[in-house]
Amino acid sequence: GDSVTQMEGPVTLSEEAFLTINCTYTATGYPSLFWYVQYPGEGLQLLLKATKADDKGSNKGFEATYRKETTSFHLEKGSVQVSDSAVYFCALNFGNEKLTFGTGTRLTIIP
Amino acid sequence: DTAVSQTPKYLVTQMGNDKSIKCEQNLGHDTMYWYKQDSKKFLKIMFSYNNKELIINETVPNRFSPKSPDKAHLNLHINSLELGDSAVYFCASSQSDFGNTGELFFGEGSGLTVL
Repeated sequence: GDSVTQMEGPVTLSEEAFLTINCTYTATGYPSLFWYVQYPGEGLQLLLKATKADDKGSNKGFEATYRKETTSFHLEKGSVQVSDSAVYFCALNFGNEKLTFGTGTRLTIIP
Repeated sequence: DTAVSQTPKYLVTQMGNDKSIKCEQNLGHDTMYWYKQDSKKFLKIMFSYNNKELIINETVPNRFSPKSPDKAHLNLHINSLELGDSAVYFCASSQSDFGNTGELFFGEGSGLTVL
């Protein structure tokens, strides 16, 4: 079945460091891809998405590019802030009501 | 105003008990969901309701029974709780164009611990 694999956490970085959180997927066909973020004490919320190959999703300084060749959707940010500390979830969807999530990666940014 | 709210936030109970988790959304969405996040942090869909009608029912033991009295509410009742039911349960909702947006709106989660 469809699945999403994320890099294991937790990830700890210093403020202003470069961030990459890896995400690869296994699916039959070409799904839409998403990153969700869960800040402490809150529910998950959509961060960015890409619906077809080579699309780049971006929001709040985060970016991810849909790479069909490598079935990947890695999340990047050039300079992280303490306020980016959260759990990040990669997910895929085929346009139906079912989102398939990865296990989440906890990110901690230290000042 | 909390868009998707769940109660209780935390629940500790004994094996064999029956418990319920309630969810309400004030976003006017037609579709609501229950997701389970286990100890390994996998987040998996359990149920989905659209306008009070069940549309997704993953392989979930029949001890779990969702109930949607109206499209703004989706409650989860669990009978005869087992140790393996310990998890965080997330409620979510989406608009009718979810197929295009892929955007779910989540509650904060309800942490269930079965002793």
